[in-house]
Amino acid sequence: DGGITQSPKYLFRKEGQNVTLSCEQNLNHDAMYWYRQDPGQGLRLIYYSQIVNDFQKGDIAEGYSVSREKKESFPLTVTSAQKNPTAFYLCASSILYGEAFFGQGTRLTVV
Amino acid sequence: AQSVAQPEDQVNVAEGNPLTVKCTYSVSGNPYLFWYVQYPNRGLQFLLKYITGDNLVKGSYGFEAEFNKSQTSFHLKKPSALVSDSALYFCAVRQAHRLAFGKGNQVVVIP
Repeated sequence: DGGITQSPKYLFRKEGQNVTLSCEQNLNHDAMYWYRQDPGQGLRLIYYSQIVNDFQKGDIAEGYSVSREKKESFPLTVTSAQKNPTAFYLCASSILYGEAFFGQGTRLTVV
Repeated sequence: AQSVAQPEDQVNVAEGNPLTVKCTYSVSGNPYLFWYVQYPNRGLQFLLKYITGDNLVKGSYGFEAEFNKSQTSFHLKKPSALVSDSALYFCAVRQAHRLAFGKGNQVVVIP
């Protein structure tokens, strides 16, 4: 089946820890995106990538980092510098200028 | 500046009645517009898009949307709402290589 796979579905982070969220796609899409969703705030863009080995900051990149070493993979690291990381994280991919297809999300909670 | 505005937080409609979810946009050039639906704790599902051509766009699950360039609007419509249409709906617009989302509208279909 073609699609986007995010893992894990639920993730718990202790204060001061870095955690990495996985996103893999087999749609052969060039573009990939990470969004953060908080209640009542819609989706906010964290990072996006149009091509392997290149990525750009979105609107709320502080405290986050990404890599794009393979076309299929776009992992997101939530660093200890992100002071309020509890949220629902969504990964998406698209052809350039096309509609985005989303994974099922990772819910991150700080404990 | 906000690229996409969804002015209503919640839309309540009786089952069988027409459903409209409003969206206005602000981008330079020709807009690429999208509608998505999200069910609880899930990713976003693509419903329809406007790139060019007819102003009335038909999509999945009986939804359609009307593009109005003079009013910079892209309202989502369904002639007869179902209880299963209760969900969170997002309008989105392409800004070059980014995809910007509105804050979302909660739709509640009352049996």
